[in-house]
Amino acid sequence: GENVEQHPSTLSVQEGDSAVIKCTYSDSASNYFPWYKQELGKRPQLIIDIRSNVGEKKDQRIAVTLNKTAKHFSLHITETQPEDSAVYFCAAREPPGGYNKLIFGAGTRLAVHP
Amino acid sequence: DTAVSQTPKYLVTQMGNDKSIKCEQNLGHDTMYWYKQDSKKFLKIMFSYNNKELIINETVPNRFSPKSPDKAHLNLHINSLELGDSAVYFCASSKETNEKLFFGSGTQLSVL
Repeated sequence: GENVEQHPSTLSVQEGDSAVIKCTYSDSASNYFPWYKQELGKRPQLIIDIRSNVGEKKDQRIAVTLNKTAKHFSLHITETQPEDSAVYFCAAREPPGGYNKLIFGAGTRLAVHP
Repeated sequence: DTAVSQTPKYLVTQMGNDKSIKCEQNLGHDTMYWYKQDSKKFLKIMFSYNNKELIINETVPNRFSPKSPDKAHLNLHINSLELGDSAVYFCASSKETNEKLFFGSGTQLSVL
C-alpha cells in the first residue's frame, strides 16, 4: 500500500519568511495529493490540493509542487504570518483499483514568530 | 449551519464501558469517514461508507462498529473501551470518495 513520509516534523520561521514542507510517496500510480491545515484544538481543513497531471498549483500565498518522477510534493508558504502557525498534513490517495484510501503524512508543526 | 457535526465533543469514561459517537453532515455528500488522531497527531482512516455501504474497513478491533442509517449519518459505537482507545475521533465527509474531505470538530475520547 501507499506510504507517505513528511519532513520536517517541526518548523520555526520568522514572520515574513517562507516555509517549505516536503512529502514523499511510494506508489507511483497515486494521483491526488491534498494538504490539510490543523490549528490547535481545531479540525483539519483542506488548504490546497494537486492532481498528478499538474506540476504546480498556487493559491495566494500558498503553492504546491509535484515531482512525479521523484515521487515527492511540497507545500510552499510565502510571507508567513502568525496565523499560519498550525500542524500541516500532506496526503496521497492510493491509485484506483483498490480502496484508494487517503494516506496522511505524520504532520509538520509550523510556528511563525512575530 | 455546521457542515459536519459530531457529538459529543468530549467523552470521558471508564475502561470496559460502551460508548457511541454520532456524526451528521448536511452537505449532501455521498461518502463519510471515521478517522482516529492519536496523541502524536497521526491521522489514520478507520472506516469509510459510500451511500450507507461500507467501503473501507481498516485493521480496527471489532469492538469498533460503525453504523450508517442513511447517507447523512455515520455513527461509531465502541464496546469494552480500553486505555489505548483514548484519542480524538474525527468524522468527515466528501462528495467524491477520498477527495476534499470536510472534517467534523472531533470527539476527544479519554478512557480512564
